[in-house]
Amino acid sequence: DTAVSQTPKYLVTQMGNDKSIKCEQNLGHDTMYWYKQDSKKFLKIMFSYNNKELIINETVPNRFSPKSPDKAHLNLHINSLELGDSAVYFCASSQGLASYNEQFFGPGTRLTVL
Amino acid sequence: AQSVAQPEDQVNVAEGNPLTVKCTYSVSGNPYLFWYVQYPNRGLQFLLKYITGDNLVKGSYGFEAEFNKSQTSFHLKKPSALVSDSALYFCAVRASNAGNNRKLIWGLGTSLAVNP
Repeated sequence: DTAVSQTPKYLVTQMGNDKSIKCEQNLGHDTMYWYKQDSKKFLKIMFSYNNKELIINETVPNRFSPKSPDKAHLNLHINSLELGDSAVYFCASSQGLASYNEQFFGPGTRLTVL
Repeated sequence: AQSVAQPEDQVNVAEGNPLTVKCTYSVSGNPYLFWYVQYPNRGLQFLLKYITGDNLVKGSYGFEAEFNKSQTSFHLKKPSALVSDSALYFCAVRASNAGNNRKLIWGLGTSLAVNP
């Protein structure tokens, strides 16, 4: 059983398009995250939700809009895609807000903007 | 400000030899420290963490890490490396008293290559 799943796995699109990535976790966690990993493998937190409430909102262009319909799902919508958005996007989840809880990652969505 | 340093971009070790991947940190207060591994084209997987107590922490796949408060380090170790350990390793930290600052601070990653 997949713990944290993301769809799609690969996404190739043209500049200016709008796209969404979906994430679901079946671990019963109440906190979810979106990370961006660039071509140099640097990992950067973008957003985090706890029980559908936004708790981390890093300096991310407002073309990126997360949505959490329930605590098991966290989607990422990107408007007006740019070349620099090309990266691997990871969803993750953890239990609660305790800072000592580890995060569980999805397999990633590789976004390529042409 | 909180920070994590992984001073080596790449570590090479022969199969069967011990391996060490270094991590140093800077936080105000006591740290919570984590190691994650990322195999090629996969998501990150949690290996181990230090919260409190015994300075030597054991984790998955035979890995362990030693918390050294005086040196502010949390190096990842394994007594005998396997070719299958070749991957990218990330260290991360968060201060236990960070309050509403809920971000994990991530290192830049160390690529481990185990040669047969």
